[in-house]
Amino acid sequence: SYELTQPLSVSVALGQTARITCGGNNIGSKNVHWYQQKSGQAPVLVIYRDSNRPSGIPERFSGSNSGNTATLTISRAQAGDEADYYCQVWDSSTGVFGTGTKVTVL
Amino acid sequence: QVQLVESGGGVVQPGRSLRLSCAASGFTFSSYAMYWVRQAPGKGLEWVAVISYDGSNKNYADSVKGRVTISRDSSKNTLYLQMNSLTAEDTAVYYCARDPNSGYSLGWFDPWGQGTLVTVSS
Repeated sequence: SYELTQPLSVSVALGQTARITCGGNNIGSKNVHWYQQKSGQAPVLVIYRDSNRPSGIPERFSGSNSGNTATLTISRAQAGDEADYYCQVWDSSTGVFGTGTKVTVL
Repeated sequence: QVQLVESGGGVVQPGRSLRLSCAASGFTFSSYAMYWVRQAPGKGLEWVAVISYDGSNKNYADSVKGRVTISRDSSKNTLYLQMNSLTAEDTAVYYCARDPNSGYSLGWFDPWGQGTLVTVSS
């Protein structure tokens, strides 16, 4: 089965840039979506189809996808960005989530 | 606005069954594929099942295949998840979510409901 690997945690200083990777075999050939989940809340979509932001998501959130790695970038990190982040793809009509990354803003 | 509200969770004994519901509002329910996703306590997200806009296509995660059935009732704007032969490994918050595009696109999950907790314990 297809697997997506994310770092367990990423720390970023307030106002700096955080990059969260999502590794998968030839993931560049798939559409990657990213979700933010704050403590005790339901997940929220922050990036769809590699690099598109839904309405209401700040421009500070951006995404890229190439080769075996997709990346979610959070620029000018704010305290409110502290959350778990998950990447997601479809493989043979099966949904696959990444292992999840906890982002801490210092 | 689009709203999804799950219900039906609770404490259930191993081996028993449970049916979850997801009431949809704010959009034409019969036009969109729908999903169930679960999250065990302290763990990551796990996709469970998908159903096409008209109910003609369904697919399941291997971890639940044969024990779980996804269905929908467009007259009630409601999505269901029938779960049988429950085990402790099924303990999780269960979320329903909508596909962004009408039809059957296997896109992304947006929006999500608030979730309903299922605890399998004797």
